Amino acid sequence: GAVVSQHPSRVICKSGTSVKIECRSLDFQATTMFWYRQFPKKSLMLMATSNEGSKATYEQGVEKDKFLINHASLTLSTLTVTSAHPEDSSFYICSAFFGGMNTEAFFGQGTRLTVV
Amino acid sequence: GNSVTQMEGPVTLSEEAFLTINCTYTATGYPSLFWYVQYPGEGLQLLLKATKADDKGSNKGFEATYRKETTSFHLEKGSVQVSDSAVYFCALNMDNAGNNRKLIWGLGTSLAVNP
Repeated sequence: GAVVSQHPSRVICKSGTSVKIECRSLDFQATTMFWYRQFPKKSLMLMATSNEGSKATYEQGVEKDKFLINHASLTLSTLTVTSAHPEDSSFYICSAFFGGMNTEAFFGQGTRLTVV
Repeated sequence: GNSVTQMEGPVTLSEEAFLTINCTYTATGYPSLFWYVQYPGEGLQLLLKATKADDKGSNKGFEATYRKETTSFHLEKGSVQVSDSAVYFCALNMDNAGNNRKLIWGLGTSLAVNP
């Protein structure tokens, strides 16, 4: 299957700093990417839908000014956690897909963010 | 609302043991159901899926049957291997096309298989 690369796989940052997570589709052009997060003992939750060249669509309860998403090209979407706090510590996963209604999405390996 | 309930892990088995990971769902319509697997250090991978009642998804020796009457999609494998050690996620979506775009996820079940 297609490959989606997410970087970094782990990051530790100080409270108040910003962290950028990259999601790249390596062998296909991704018209849409999804960003998920998973708290300990909780399900993966969709945060936002990112479409190339347009603003991301955020799910209810997700702060768009805190979680900045940029989908500047067909192979790259970035999630920036701004002014991170310990409660933002979580596992973040992206997925990417292309094409019509029946195509499958492919997932990155996830990023473990720890804010200290 | 729609939700997925998945058995908590971790699950620890010996090689060649029988595996069942339970998954039940709540949905207002007729969802498509998925099992994903995440091996250490890798991205989530689609393991199998079923798009309508009584469908059976199968892959790599794993099977799951879409049971509408019990709203379940339990994952089974007759003889696990050490290489099956991973985290398994059950998920659903309400998209009639059966793709996996906006999924509702279970918590994930960690499986460790000992030689």
